[in-house]
Amino acid sequence: GDSVTQMEGPVTLSEEAFLTINCTYTATGYPSLFWYVQYPGEGLQLLLKATKADDKGSNKGFEATYRKETTSFHLEKGSVQVSDSAVYFCALTQGGSEKLVFGKGTKLTVNP
Amino acid sequence: DAGVTQSPTHLIKTRGQQVTLRCSPKSGHDTVSWYQQALGQGPQFIFQYYEEEERQRGNFPDRFSGHQFPNYSSELNVNALLLGDSALYLCASSLRTGEEAFFGQGTRLTVV
Repeated sequence: GDSVTQMEGPVTLSEEAFLTINCTYTATGYPSLFWYVQYPGEGLQLLLKATKADDKGSNKGFEATYRKETTSFHLEKGSVQVSDSAVYFCALTQGGSEKLVFGKGTKLTVNP
Repeated sequence: DAGVTQSPTHLIKTRGQQVTLRCSPKSGHDTVSWYQQALGQGPQFIFQYYEEEERQRGNFPDRFSGHQFPNYSSELNVNALLLGDSALYLCASSLRTGEEAFFGQGTRLTVV
């Protein structure tokens, strides 16, 4: 079945550092790809998405590009802030209202 | 717009008991999905409801059941609770024809 693998955490960075969180997927067909963020004590919030190959999703300074040839959707941010500290989940769906398949999550801590 | 609301926020139950969790979807959404998130893990899909019927189901035993009401709100029921059922239970709502799922803050269930 479909699956998502993301880099193990935790990741600890200093403020203004560059962030990369790797995500690769295994899926039949052409899934849509997502990054969700979970702040402490809260539910999940959609951070960005891409629905077809070579699409770039972006939001709040975060970016990820749908790479079909490498089945990847790595999350990047050029300069992280303390407020970015959270758990980040990569996920896929086979489209429309289909279920989301999540990776295990990567905890990011940004120190001032 | 209140977004997705779940109740209760926290719950403690004893092994063998039964529990009911509730979810009100975002205004205008007609599809509700439930996920289980164990500590340190990504959410796992339990099932999805649309038009008051279970449309998809993940790899969960029959002890997990649900219901959707005419106003699109939903309940998740778990019978014969096990210690391993301790988790954060997340509800997500979406449009049947839409791409994006919106999550509630979750119900933290502890089984003792």
